[in-house]
Order: sequence, then C-alpha cells, then structure tokens
Amino acid sequence: GAGVSQTPSNKVTEKGKYVELRCDPISGHTALYWYRQSLGQGPEFLIYFQGTGAADDSGLPNDRFFAVRPEGSVSTLKIQRTERGDSAVYLCASSLTGGTTYNEQFFGPGTRLTVL
Amino acid sequence: AQSVTQLDSQVPVFEEAPVELRCNYSSSVSVYLFWYVQYPNQGLQLLLKYLSGSTLVKGINGFEAEFNKSQTSFHLRKPSVHISDTAEYFCAVAPSGYSTLTFGKGTMLLVSP
Repeated sequence: GAGVSQTPSNKVTEKGKYVELRCDPISGHTALYWYRQSLGQGPEFLIYFQGTGAADDSGLPNDRFFAVRPEGSVSTLKIQRTERGDSAVYLCASSLTGGTTYNEQFFGPGTRLTVL
Repeated sequence: AQSVTQLDSQVPVFEEAPVELRCNYSSSVSVYLFWYVQYPNQGLQLLLKYLSGSTLVKGINGFEAEFNKSQTSFHLRKPSVHISDTAEYFCAVAPSGYSTLTFGKGTMLLVSP
C-alpha cells in the first residue's frame, strides 16, 4: 500500500512569510508525528497526534509553529513569520497506534523548507 | 529526558570489510533503542530495534546491534558491507512505553570499492 506522503517536496519562501506543510499518513494509522531535521543533525521531535488531538506538543520550538489534524488523518504543520533558522527538512511519520504499545513509525520523504 | 551520542560523524570503509557504528545513550528510565537508515533522497527506514529480551538484535540487510545496559551503548555492526550500504545511519531512543523518538546526529557510512 501507499506509504506516508508529504507535500510539497520542496518549499522556498521569504523571511516573514507563512507556510503550510502537509502530511498524508498511511491509511488506518491513528498516530502521527512531526520531526524537523536541520542540516547535519538528526531528526528532532516536534509534535505527536493520537487521532485528532495533540498528545504531546513539547517539541514545538515557539508559538510560530502550530499543527492540526482535524479529521484524524491528514495533518498540516503551519509556520508563521518564518525565519531563516526554520530552514530544515520537515519529516512526518505515522504508526498504527501510539502511546504505551510499541508500533513502528513509518517516515515520509520529508519537505525541504528554505527560508530566504 | 533522553539523549543520544553517535561518536563518529563519518565512517569510511572498503567493500566486504566489517563495520561498527557506535551509539551511546543517556536516560534516567528504561528505553527502547532503534537504528534507522536514510539512503540518499529517501525517507528514514527502520533497520532494527531493541524493546526487551535478548540483547543481540538482528535487523534487515545483515545488520545487528547489541544492547549493553551497563555501558549504555547500542552499537550497530555488519560483518561485510556492500557499496549499497552507503547511507546515513541514525541511532534513536524512546522511553519504554512511549512513542516519541530522540535521534543522534547520524553517522555517514561511506563504502568504497
């Protein structure tokens, strides 16, 4: 079946602009994760959804970052007033469930965001 | 909080040679441990995982890793590498019974003929 998809694959924007990054998880997966991978670093956790609700948003760096998952499937990561330091690859992952039972996270190819 | 240290940013090896990629972690609670591989222009793929039980775990593509609790290590090994193993490898940790992953900075494995 189809894996996790992310759109766009590349996004170039100007400092101060607003951007939205989309993630389509594997069908039937109730848990969805966002990570950010800066150049030369490993992925860094941002937020985790279980169903429609954010179960853990402790990784969001500041209030310019926000994510939604209104119907428990597709998720959108929103970044307001982008800064050059937001340039990174944004990764999305989904798993069958989250929480206390281990389920493998399947990663999408990422969206490369460049803020000029 | 958890942290992961991958001691080598880059490991060059010749084809058919053995390789070990090192990973150490820090945690005040028991953990799950993972190795992921990222091929050029592809997403992260799970290589292997330790959840509990046997400390030697085998993964895909002939890789294995050993969990050493006393040394807080989870080093990845392969007895004979191929050119196709050239990729970036990430060690990751999650608190037992929890989902979110903390990754190391990655080790680039460069296999040459």
